[in-house]
Amino acid sequence: DAGVIQSPRHEVTEMGQEVTLRCKPISGHDYLFWYRQTMMRGLELLIYFNNNVPIDDSGMPEDRFSAKMPNASFSTLKIQPSEPRDSAVYFCASSPIVAGPNYEQYFGPGTRLTVT
Amino acid sequence: GQQVMQIPQYQHVQEGEDFTTYCNSSTTLSNIQWYKQRPGGHPVFLIQLVKSGEVKKQKRLTFQFGEAKKNSSLHITATQTTDVGTYFCAGSSINAGGTSYGKLTFGQGTILTVHP
Repeated sequence: DAGVIQSPRHEVTEMGQEVTLRCKPISGHDYLFWYRQTMMRGLELLIYFNNNVPIDDSGMPEDRFSAKMPNASFSTLKIQPSEPRDSAVYFCASSPIVAGPNYEQYFGPGTRLTVT
Repeated sequence: GQQVMQIPQYQHVQEGEDFTTYCNSSTTLSNIQWYKQRPGGHPVFLIQLVKSGEVKKQKRLTFQFGEAKKNSSLHITATQTTDVGTYFCAGSSINAGGTSYGKLTFGQGTILTVHP
């Protein structure tokens, strides 16, 4: 398996622009997570999906952030309009389960976002 | 909300020395997971502990879960330069239900530097 795929790997944009981050989870994984990592705040869960349905979006910073999962193999995280404080590494992770002895999350390589 | 604290934030060791990082949760956990992130990389799952007082070993790494299931530790014996990276603990609250089920709260991580 190719693992979790994210694109782009790097994104540099100007403040006010729309940014779309993409994720393809591992085939067969029913759970998909979006995380944001910064030095100040560490690794934060933004939102997670189960079978393409958003289950918990309590970590989404504000209305400028939105996430969708139109099908089992694709998810997007959109920031509109972007601000410099959104600069971070955004990780997508997937998992077949979220409980039990075999629970683990598989992380993608991340998208490094810089907003100038 | 649930908080997971990790100490120390940084640890510098000489190759061959031992290393320990500690993780404490504000709530009782159903499970705790450990991840390693190499510089510039993404978190990679190491192990999951689910039982009170559980101890697991992976070669030079020893993982412990506290009796009260509120703390955990990772100990590396005789560090090597390949151990360099950030070690994260992540736990799910035992009281998590509904939309919180399966959610992992990550500690801030311990950045390990190994000097050859």
